[in-house]
Amino acid sequence: GQSLEQPSEVTAVEGAIVQINCTYQTSGFYGLSWYQQHDGGAPTFLSYNALDGLEETGRFSSFLSRSDSYGYLLLQELQMKDSASYFCAVIQAGTALIFGKGTTLSVSS
Amino acid sequence: DADVTQTPRNRITKTGKRIMLECSQTKGHDRMYWYRQDPGLGLRLIYYSFDVKDINKGEISDGYSVSRQAQAKFSLSLESAIPNQTALYFCATSDRPGRSTFSTDTQYFGPGTRLTVL
Repeated sequence: GQSLEQPSEVTAVEGAIVQINCTYQTSGFYGLSWYQQHDGGAPTFLSYNALDGLEETGRFSSFLSRSDSYGYLLLQELQMKDSASYFCAVIQAGTALIFGKGTTLSVSS
Repeated sequence: DADVTQTPRNRITKTGKRIMLECSQTKGHDRMYWYRQDPGLGLRLIYYSFDVKDINKGEISDGYSVSRQAQAKFSLSLESAIPNQTALYFCATSDRPGRSTFSTDTQYFGPGTRLTVL
């Protein structure tokens, strides 16, 4: 079957670095995406990895290891506005995106 | 104007009523999706459409039906609403063409519809 596992909650302080892990089991894997959702709002796309390695976009980076079926989202220089839910999602062949259950990040001052 | 719009934004209805949630997009995308979100359960896929004539069930399609009236419009219906269908519903489009095997699949979400079934 298909499954994605990510921690349900993560807490950190402003200015810190936090890593949100995602492990997956799926067939026909193409890539791993990350989405951010502020409370009650629409999820928005953050990043995408199709190949192994690190992709950097400003303060956010995303990593993928296809051999380990594992990825992570790295958030640096945390700000209060980064408090949100973060979802990993697997892109598969011939079907729709499958989302994880989400990680709630709480950033405190 | 928003690229993906949903109507209504909020709806309260009673058990047994039929309700339709509507979604429109101006992004010109082939693919459209309906998700529901419940606390702690993430985004669960109800139905998805690769194009106007290609509609597929997602993991939780029971109790729901959809209609793809045009490339730009994808409606979700609850034929006889029940309280455990109370949730936040999102429509989304993606930039992956039809049933292509392109690896990219960036999704663009509407603002959501908060549905309460009493």
